[in-house]
This record gives sequence, C-alpha cells and structure tokens, in this order.
Amino acid sequence: KAGVTQTPRYLIKTRGQQVTLSCSPISGHRSVSWYQQTPGQGLQFLFEYFSETQRNKGNFPGRFSGRQFSNSRSEMNVSTLELGDSALYLCASSPGPLRGAREKLFFGSGTQLSVL
Amino acid sequence: TQLLEQSPQFLSIQEGENLTVYCNSSSVFSSLQWYRQEPGEGPVLLVTVVTGGEVKKLKRLTFQFGDARKDSSLHITAAQPGDTGLYLCAGEAGNTPLVFGKGTRLSVIA
Repeated sequence: KAGVTQTPRYLIKTRGQQVTLSCSPISGHRSVSWYQQTPGQGLQFLFEYFSETQRNKGNFPGRFSGRQFSNSRSEMNVSTLELGDSALYLCASSPGPLRGAREKLFFGSGTQLSVL
Repeated sequence: TQLLEQSPQFLSIQEGENLTVYCNSSSVFSSLQWYRQEPGEGPVLLVTVVTGGEVKKLKRLTFQFGDARKDSSLHITAAQPGDTGLYLCAGEAGNTPLVFGKGTRLSVIA
C-alpha cells in the first residue's frame, strides 16, 4: 500500500506570492490533517478534513486555507506569503472518522517551503 | 490552550548508553502518542498509551503514561545510532486534534 504522498517536496517562493500544496492520502483513508512544523514552534495544527468537510481549524490567519476532494486528496493554499511562513508542511491521513488514540496518523514526508 | 513540554530539547549520547526523555503538561490527556521523525521524513507513530500508569515496551524502548495522565516518559536502553531522530509526544483530549510537543532531538554517536 502506498504511503501518504505530498507534492512538491521543495518549494521556493517570494513574499506576496501564493502557493498550493498537495496531499494524496493512503488509499481508503478519508481523513486528512495538515500541520506546520518549524524549529521554534514545533508541529502546529492547521486544519482537518473528513469526507470533504472541514472538521477543525487551527489558529492560523485566513491566508491559510484548504480543501478536500471527493477522492480524499487534499490541497492547502497560502496566499500573500510572508517570511514567517517558511516551514515544513506535513499532511497526515487516517482511516477516519475517529480521532486521537482510536486511530493512527500516517504522515507524508512534507513540503519544505522557503519564502524569500 | 493545552501545552506539552518536552525535555530535554537536545540530547547527544554515546552508543550503548541509556536515556530518558520526558513529556509534561498541566492538562489531562485521554491518551498520549509518541512519534519518531528522521531528517527529511514525516513523523512515524511508535506507540499510544491510554491508561494512567500504563507501561508499554517496544524492543529497547519503554513508554510510560503518568498516573494522572498529565505526563509521559520514553526510556531507551542501550541506544544505537539508528535511534537518532526527533522524538515527539502528542496528546489527545476529547474530540480535538492532537497537540504536539516541540520534541527532543536525540543524537546517538557510534
């Protein structure tokens, strides 16, 4: 079974641009979560989708948005990029709909975004 | 806001030594998960502990959940270079997303 696939692996953008990151979950998984990882803040929750519906949203500005398609693939978008958006963006899938200890999160390798 | 504090932040030891890393909070969690993340990869789940006082062993790794379900520890016996990585704890409370600690970066030198 293929794992969680995130594309692209690396991305370099300049301030003010926008970016779209893609995540393909493990086949059969219907829940997708996104996290931002930085050395200073660790992993911070962005949002979670289940069956195309956003179930939870973290404490990030409206420049960060996401969506999930009917095939469970997910995208996140960041508009008007700032230097502080440089981070590793991780996507995780799970079978759903249960949360926490009742299900495992399977992470992709992430997209390393650098904003210059 | 629920926070998980991990200590130490960095740890560098020789192969064969034992070590313990800690994950503490002032909040109660329903369960705690431990992940290991290697450079260039996403975190990989090692174990989930759900009962206060629970101890789980995974080969040379021993995980413990505190009686009050506010803290957890990970003990590695006879560390090997392959244990090198970032160890993350993550807590679950109710129907909310996992909260992650900032991690302990372990380096095991041969």
